[in-house]
Amino acid sequence: QVTLKESGPTLVRPTQTLTLTCSFSGFSLSTDAVGVGWIRQPPGKALEWLGLIYWDDEKLYSPSLKSRLTITKDKSINQVVLSLTNMNPADTGTYYCAHIPGSGGYWYFDLWGRGTLVNVSS
Amino acid sequence: SYELTQPPSVSVSPGQTARITCSGDLLPRQYTFWYQQKPGQAPVLMIFKDSERPSGIPERFAGFSVGTTATLAISGVQAEDEADYYCQSVHITGKGLFGGGTKLTVL
Repeated sequence: QVTLKESGPTLVRPTQTLTLTCSFSGFSLSTDAVGVGWIRQPPGKALEWLGLIYWDDEKLYSPSLKSRLTITKDKSINQVVLSLTNMNPADTGTYYCAHIPGSGGYWYFDLWGRGTLVNVSS
Repeated sequence: SYELTQPPSVSVSPGQTARITCSGDLLPRQYTFWYQQKPGQAPVLMIFKDSERPSGIPERFAGFSVGTTATLAISGVQAEDEADYYCQSVHITGKGLFGGGTKLTVL
């Protein structure tokens, strides 16, 4: 059974760096074509894709966040970490991590964590 | 264009068929995926690769794509289907995008 859980601070000050951890079980990031993605959702607004990391350490980032976003993984402890620098109030929202099943030429999220709400405020 | 467009809202009476569209220039070449999100919950995958249904998703949910428009059709709509629905696709660069979401109201 695949599960994912996001953890990290609920409150971040403007200009600080947000670090969120996605802890997962039921799959391995050593398996071909498997990945983990990050998605966020401002209150009352639409989903926004942030980025993803694949089993082979390939990473893809949203063009709008590429300069601020880093995603890393630690296969040995089944974790993926998101770092978003220079936080501002527009980054407030619920952050989700999600599992990407192995596929070719496309990707999607078949299972999601419950999300964690991050508020950016001074 | 690097965007997916959905109608903000769709309303339907119970038992009828709801159709939610998703339009984008990349859709003729890329698959569309659909997610359902109920208030306070994480999204759930409903359709992948335009028309395939994950195990456990009711048969009344169907998807298809023609040209630049993908459609999620929900036949025999039930009250429990009231939710926000998002389409998603992948640009040829590998980067992803979501539509703006459609709120389905069951009258």
